[in-house]
Amino acid sequence: RKEVEQDPGPFNVPEGATVAFNCTYSNSASQSFFWYRQDCRKEPKLLMSVYSSGNEDGRFTAQLNRASQYISLLIRDSKLSDSATYLCVVNMPTSGTYKYIFGTGTRLKVLA
Amino acid sequence: EPEVTQTPSHQVTQMGQEVILRCVPISNHLYFYWYRQILGQKVEFLVSFYNNEISEKSEIFDDQFSVERPDGSNFTLKIRSTKLEDSAMYFCASSMASGRVGEQFFGPGTRLTVL
Repeated sequence: RKEVEQDPGPFNVPEGATVAFNCTYSNSASQSFFWYRQDCRKEPKLLMSVYSSGNEDGRFTAQLNRASQYISLLIRDSKLSDSATYLCVVNMPTSGTYKYIFGTGTRLKVLA
Repeated sequence: EPEVTQTPSHQVTQMGQEVILRCVPISNHLYFYWYRQILGQKVEFLVSFYNNEISEKSEIFDDQFSVERPDGSNFTLKIRSTKLEDSAMYFCASSMASGRVGEQFFGPGTRLTVL
């Protein structure tokens, strides 16, 4: 099983749609979880951290399900500018420290 | 808003040459990282650095790679003898903390092309 797994997409959705991405992780002792956004040939930009209780930032909602070892990202009222690749990042324990493991990313295309 | 900066934005080199990629992390951050991303592939962890030493490195980070924080502000990645397969985007990142609360902030990257 991959350490962090995402559906690569692409997800093609019309403007205004709601879209959800999932990400599964292999190590149950993982401590922290993040969603990043990456535009083509640009650096990853932090979208939001994911907390156990779930958290919301405007149109974006992140959830963590420790029992099933997945995190999710929900985008409501999609905008054209939301078109990007969404990266799931998991902070996993390894040899007494932590390592940030990236998923392959899920591509989102919001269509006019 | 403070940001991570990287230089150069693009480096072209011949196979076998040494390259040094430079990063200036956010000033009050304590943890520093290098990642690489081969075109079309995922972001891969290379190394993390804390308190002037490597805290974790991946299997990619072999003897050809080294990192240094020479002057308290710069953080460098050196590749001693570049190979064609080292061509990639190299991202530097920094964070205030690690583990539970370590949100990382990335620089714009250096595109390394090895000919």
